Amino acid sequence: GEDVEQSLFLSVREGDSSVINCTYTDSSSTYLYWYKQEPGAGLQLLTYIFSNMDMKQDQRLTVLLNKKDKHLSLRIADTQTGDSAIYFCAEVFSGGYNKLIFGAGTRLAVHP
Amino acid sequence: EAQVTQNPRYLITVTGKKLTVTCSQNMNHEYMSWYRQDPGLGLRQIYYSMNVEVTDKGDVPEGYKVSRKEKRNFPLILESPSPNQTSLYFCASSSEGQGMDEQYFGPGTRLTVT
Repeated sequence: GEDVEQSLFLSVREGDSSVINCTYTDSSSTYLYWYKQEPGAGLQLLTYIFSNMDMKQDQRLTVLLNKKDKHLSLRIADTQTGDSAIYFCAEVFSGGYNKLIFGAGTRLAVHP
Repeated sequence: EAQVTQNPRYLITVTGKKLTVTCSQNMNHEYMSWYRQDPGLGLRQIYYSMNVEVTDKGDVPEGYKVSRKEKRNFPLILESPSPNQTSLYFCASSSEGQGMDEQYFGPGTRLTVT
């Protein structure tokens, strides 16, 4: 069945780059998403990538997609304390309706 | 302001006492869904609705009911809550049930069942 996996924790120093990795199983997924969840808040869509793309850049965010390995990554350049949050990778279920399959979430801690 | 609202935001209840969590969106979206978030498991879909009077089960529907009598509202009903339904619940909506439509999430409802 569908499954999305990501590591649970990442700690980085302020100003460094953060790389959050994700693997997925549904090779038919057409869209892959990154969501951010700040403490006590809902989910905010950060960025997404179409499955026919290898890379997408949006200001400090870079998404890389390796479709052969079903591997997705999110790179945050110049990580700031405001980037501390849980980051969810999600793929769209290819079964014909808008169901998102989420990973468990990676908690990013940014320290001085 | 375009938004998805949920009420209540926090709820503590006892086993077996029926409760309803409301969800409302003001974007005229056709598609709405409910997810629950548990540590180490991410978000899992409970139920979804493609339009008024059209609902279907997600991955973890046991113990939940939903209804979609109006386009803007999609309440989640727990007829007889149990402690394993203690979780953080999110409602989401999108314009249509297609993969590229951005889903907008509500702020979440933290439910504790004792």
